[in-house]
Amino acid sequence: TQLLEQSPQFLSIQEGENLTVYCNSSSVFSSLQWYRQEPGEGPVLLVTVVTGGEVKKLKRLTFQFGDARKDSSLHITAAQTGDTGLYLCGGWGTYKYIFGTGTRLKVLA
Amino acid sequence: GAGVSQSPSNKVTEKGKDVELRCDPISGHTALYWYRQSLGQGLEFLIYFQGNSAPDKSGLPSDRFSAERTGGSVSTLTIQRTQQEDSAVYLCASSAEYNEQFFGPGTRLTVL
Repeated sequence: TQLLEQSPQFLSIQEGENLTVYCNSSSVFSSLQWYRQEPGEGPVLLVTVVTGGEVKKLKRLTFQFGDARKDSSLHITAAQTGDTGLYLCGGWGTYKYIFGTGTRLKVLA
Repeated sequence: GAGVSQSPSNKVTEKGKDVELRCDPISGHTALYWYRQSLGQGLEFLIYFQGNSAPDKSGLPSDRFSAERTGGSVSTLTIQRTQQEDSAVYLCASSAEYNEQFFGPGTRLTVL
């Protein structure tokens, strides 16, 4: 069974701090995606990483795909209160889409 | 419509009743997905359709759950003889082939 484990599960930080969220699996994924979900809404895609070792930047967010395509990380620089939400990684398994366990981030003013 | 819509937005039902959840995907999207999100289980994949066909139904939690899609558009997720553990938010998403999934706002199901 393909699983995506995220850590930490919860994170509460002050505005302006940096943070990293990890997404790990024992399985190889052809690509991984990162989403952010806010209360009462569905997840919204942030980025897709495809190539092992790939680094993608989206403003203050930096996404990395592991060389072996089994793990990924999301780094946020100088977090803002607007970054608060549930962060999910996800990828395709066999005939199913797998979401990670989730990281709930709260950024305090 | 502009996005994925789901109805009803909230559903409260009694244990043992049947419920039907509806998803209207973005026009032209060939793929449609159903997920369940609950506090203890995270975001759980249920089933996806490519056109009107579902390649694998093994993600459905039990034989009380069924889903269909007609005309390559609207999909319904039916839960028969609801149980309290079925309480969750049911999310639908659609995409063009295997591209970005666009999610609806979900249906919050509460089984009393």
